[in-house]
Amino acid sequence: QSALTQPASVSGSPGQSITISCTGANNAVAIYNLVSWYQHHPGTGPKLMIYEDTKRPSGVSDRFSGSKSGITASLTISGLQAEDEADYYCCTFAGSKTWVFGGGTKLTVL
Amino acid sequence: EVQLLESGGGSVQPGGSLRLSCTASGFTFSNYAMSWVRLAPGKGLECVSLIYSVTSSTNYADSVKGRFTISRDDSKNTLYLQMTSLRAEDTALYYCAKIGYGDYVDYFDNWGQGTLVTVSS
Repeated sequence: QSALTQPASVSGSPGQSITISCTGANNAVAIYNLVSWYQHHPGTGPKLMIYEDTKRPSGVSDRFSGSKSGITASLTISGLQAEDEADYYCCTFAGSKTWVFGGGTKLTVL
Repeated sequence: EVQLLESGGGSVQPGGSLRLSCTASGFTFSNYAMSWVRLAPGKGLECVSLIYSVTSSTNYADSVKGRFTISRDDSKNTLYLQMTSLRAEDTALYYCAKIGYGDYVDYFDNWGQGTLVTVSS
């Protein structure tokens, strides 16, 4: 069982905004444990979308944004597009040189 | 452009061994920590192992500790994962991922396309 809990699925229509939550257990996601987010299209390697809670790597659309409140981190996608349909994973450093991922959220664009 | 190319996956019987390789290009390989992350059918991502640069200090998930060995050859820009005593639950896509250094915490900033490992009798 992952120490990071994500909803199994979310959906939205093109143009809408959606938010994927990532809630930590056992203090896995606290104000000092920064979260990264990854997009995964089946058949390709995962892609870094957000790191250190809110930072966006060069080349990632500004439609993707990250935030955190308490023990819950969130990934928001605005102006939903068909190509955003993918699996999304949150991840945090769990100490002792280990990382933990959330169970993943399948985003469906209706 | 960073490129990571995995190879070495395949089908093996329980108890068998495989050696995965990841050839890197587009960055100074010796300066960065590297990792193997797997995606098992119906499950989420799992960081299997990590190796740091310079010290080559390593870490393993409890699920593979004592069975898998991560190593690197900086002269060949290549990362390895030696897998022994393979079990059905090791069946997964194995990704090579480069570690990015943030201001406060590291993250997986580049990933390969993955290589499939199937453990079945």
